[in-house]
Amino acid sequence: QSVLTQPPSVSGAPGQRVTISCTGSGSNIGAGYDVHWYQQLPGSAPKLLIYVNNNRPSGVPDRFSGSKSGTSASLAITGLQAEDEADYYCQSYDDSLSGSVFGGGTKVTVL
Amino acid sequence: QVQLQESGPGLMKPSETLSLTCTVSGGSISNYYWTWIRQPPGKGLDWIGHIHYSGSTNYNPSLKSRVTLSVDTSKNEFSLKLTSVTAADTAMYYCARSRRRGYCSGGSCYSMEFDYWGQGTPVTVSS
Repeated sequence: QSVLTQPPSVSGAPGQRVTISCTGSGSNIGAGYDVHWYQQLPGSAPKLLIYVNNNRPSGVPDRFSGSKSGTSASLAITGLQAEDEADYYCQSYDDSLSGSVFGGGTKVTVL
Repeated sequence: QVQLQESGPGLMKPSETLSLTCTVSGGSISNYYWTWIRQPPGKGLDWIGHIHYSGSTNYNPSLKSRVTLSVDTSKNEFSLKLTSVTAADTAMYYCARSRRRGYCSGGSCYSMEFDYWGQGTPVTVSS
């Protein structure tokens, strides 16, 4: 059971927009800690996709965007492409653990 | 370009002690926090713990009794030791870098973000 809750899977046709939710609690996202998102392609290590809620590292397409409100955060992918098929994880910090926490991951399938 | 490379035994027997090392190249280990994260087969990511280059540590409470992290700034590497391993410790183990720890200041709270990751090293525990 992950501290942050994500849907197990989302899917969409090429060109469509999909969103992935990440729900936490008052000891992590709700406490004000920022949220980061990672993309994990099959057989690869995770890669930082969005940092501090809505910032993209250099090289990440602007099709990816993040937001945060209250105890939740979201990742949106617009103009879905076949290469976006991957697992996506949200991550934040938790006061109870005094450490980092991850969502359970969401598998994105391009139909 | 900063690169992280994990090294470890691969296959272990139950009750043994797991030792992993992460070697950092292309940048200094100083002024950063260094984290171990693991991923059981087919499952999500789990934070194991982190260590500052100064040596201060934080561990996941679920593993705290079995985990020790250490850092060697002269070799630009940091290490993980996990005692009394069982099949439940079978996973891909990743090391990662963060520029800060989690903290709150001035009404804002900041979490660690992992900007560089190693490629991972698989660890299988089996008798």
